[in-house]
Amino acid sequence: QVQLVESGGGVVQPGRSLRLSCAASGFTFTSFAMHWVRQAPGKGLEWVALISSDGSNKYYSDSVKGRFTISRDNSKNTLYLQMNSLRADDTALYYCARPRSAYYLDAFDIWGRGTLVAVSS
Amino acid sequence: DIQMTQSPSSLSASVGDRVTITCRASQSISSYLNWYQQKPGKAPKLLIYAASSLQSGVPSRFSGSGSGTDFTLTISSLQPEDFATYYCQQTYSTPQTFGPGTKVDIK
Repeated sequence: QVQLVESGGGVVQPGRSLRLSCAASGFTFTSFAMHWVRQAPGKGLEWVALISSDGSNKYYSDSVKGRFTISRDNSKNTLYLQMNSLRADDTALYYCARPRSAYYLDAFDIWGRGTLVAVSS
Repeated sequence: DIQMTQSPSSLSASVGDRVTITCRASQSISSYLNWYQQKPGKAPKLLIYAASSLQSGVPSRFSGSGSGTDFTLTISSLQPEDFATYYCQQTYSTPQTFGPGTKVDIK
């Protein structure tokens, strides 16, 4: 079945780095743009980053621009989020999400369960 | 960036009630508006896309309307499994911003 599984979260000190992964299965990964969305504890949803299906176009929220890098390996059906210079306010559950269609502005119909990142000294 | 607001931020309702949640965009987003339901400890679930299209498998008691800057999500007859937080999201442009959410709880 169609599935997204995130991994790579954990506890990290401020200023350090972490790389998240999202393994996709059950659909043609190369046909879809992919997103990262995060949710701080007890808070709402925040869109983080978007990458086009071929990886050539990337977009970021202002809160992570210059610190986070989204990438993908289409040969491995895997999405990544490299997070550098982490701050306490990056603490959140990080979801990867897939649009309904190949159109990158479509709604997100497939979500992973999320991976928790906690930034603390 | 496009800012999204929702009202109310929370509401209490009874099973069988008709519930309406409003979402407003800071500029016109045509019909690029989606609605999600999130229950505690779970990932968001897509309910409505393109302002008024019902996602496959979602009960017909959920409906969406609006275009431009003002949108509504209506639950025609609230069921026990509908108690959750609801988010709107614009996908007109990046960043694809979410509203702050509306928590629906039991009266």
